[in-house]
Amino acid sequence: QVQLVQSGAELRQPGASVKISCKASGYTFTKYAIHWVRQAPGQGLEWMGRIHTGDGNTRYSQKFQGRVTFTRDTSASIAYMEVSTLTSEDTAVYYCAKDFYSSGYPCDYWGQGTLVTVSS
Amino acid sequence: EIVLTQSPGTLSLSPGERATLSCRASQSVSTTSLAWYQQKPGQAPRLLIYGASYRATGVADRFSGSGVGTQFTLTISRLEPEDFAVYYCQQYGDSPLTFGGGTKVEIK
Repeated sequence: QVQLVQSGAELRQPGASVKISCKASGYTFTKYAIHWVRQAPGQGLEWMGRIHTGDGNTRYSQKFQGRVTFTRDTSASIAYMEVSTLTSEDTAVYYCAKDFYSSGYPCDYWGQGTLVTVSS
Repeated sequence: EIVLTQSPGTLSLSPGERATLSCRASQSVSTTSLAWYQQKPGQAPRLLIYGASYRATGVADRFSGSGVGTQFTLTISRLEPEDFAVYYCQQYGDSPLTFGGGTKVEIK
């Protein structure tokens, strides 16, 4: 069965960076993009961007361009997201999610979420 | 970017009642690239509807989606206890993908 398992909760100080992993199983990793979505406490969902796991092509929401980096390790079926220059406004649950069809479609499987807390 | 506005913000209904949720887009959503998700507290979102009207695998047939252009609707024909949750619409026809602010369906 399809599973996305994310790394555990992180606590960072303002100005630091964080890198979250998302290990996929149960399907061909390189056939479907991985999206990253975040949700601040008590708030709605915000799309950050996606990486096509086959060729590594990335698309970022302009809001995060230059501060977020998506990578992947195809040999291990793991996608990564790194966020730099963290502020308290980056405190959120970060989700990875598998594209439904290929790339640029909705997400049919989601990770369990990784809580990132930014606090001094 | 396409802004999605969901209404109402909260819907208070009883089990067995019909729920009608609205999602309005600031510009036309291409090729009905509109999805609906359900999210329960402490859980990741779950895909319910894609292509405006197609149910995702395993989704009960009491959930239906409709709409085109800038106006979309999610209907739950008869609410079951497990349907009380927050629902989000998402457009995926234009980058950046965007979500609506959500509609909370709560028990009256």
